[in-house]
Amino acid sequence: GAVVSQHPSWVICKSGTSVKIECRSLDFQATTMFWYRQFPKQSLMLMATSNEGSKATYEQGVEKDKFLINHASLTLSTLTVTSAHPEDSSFYICSARKTRDTEAFFGQGTRLTVV
Amino acid sequence: AQKVTQAQTEISVVEKEDVTLDCVYETRDTTYYLFWYKQPPSGELVFLIRRNSFDEQNEISGRYSWNFQKSTSSFNFTITASQVVDSAVYFCALSAFPYGGATNKLIFGTGTLLAVQP
Repeated sequence: GAVVSQHPSWVICKSGTSVKIECRSLDFQATTMFWYRQFPKQSLMLMATSNEGSKATYEQGVEKDKFLINHASLTLSTLTVTSAHPEDSSFYICSARKTRDTEAFFGQGTRLTVV
Repeated sequence: AQKVTQAQTEISVVEKEDVTLDCVYETRDTTYYLFWYKQPPSGELVFLIRRNSFDEQNEISGRYSWNFQKSTSSFNFTITASQVVDSAVYFCALSAFPYGGATNKLIFGTGTLLAVQP
């Protein structure tokens, strides 16, 4: 299967700082990338969908100014958690898809802890 | 509205037992895809299978098999002769294509935690 690499795998940051998470499709061009958030022992909740070269589409209830998503190329999308607070601590997972008719492949996830 | 229901929150079996994970979905779209993913304790999501709505053939891959029945809107997953390494959370997901071709997205079920005891 296709490889999606997410970096970093884990990060600890101080409250009030910003954190950037990268998601790269290593061996394919991804027309669409998705960002999910997963709380402990819960399912994945879609945060936003991004298409290369256009603005991300955020799900209801997700603050676009707090979770900045950039999809600058067909192989890279970034999620920046701005002014992070302890309640932002979570597991963030990205996925990438070649086309709308293909399966989505997931990154390894990033565990964010805000202290 | 689209929805995926995995009624089994946790299942515990002993090694070599067969186990079936249930998945029921809801969608009004006629074209859609169903998926199963595995999430081991390390956290990454591993793709297992994708099935489109026009293909109701059951599929077998080694010890894994999937039973897709549109009549009951179910896409169940069976592991035969389970092993300790099968212990993980398994997610069923749905991706539909609403009229107009808007970007579809994966809707996940709540997951089933499978614990295989030695």
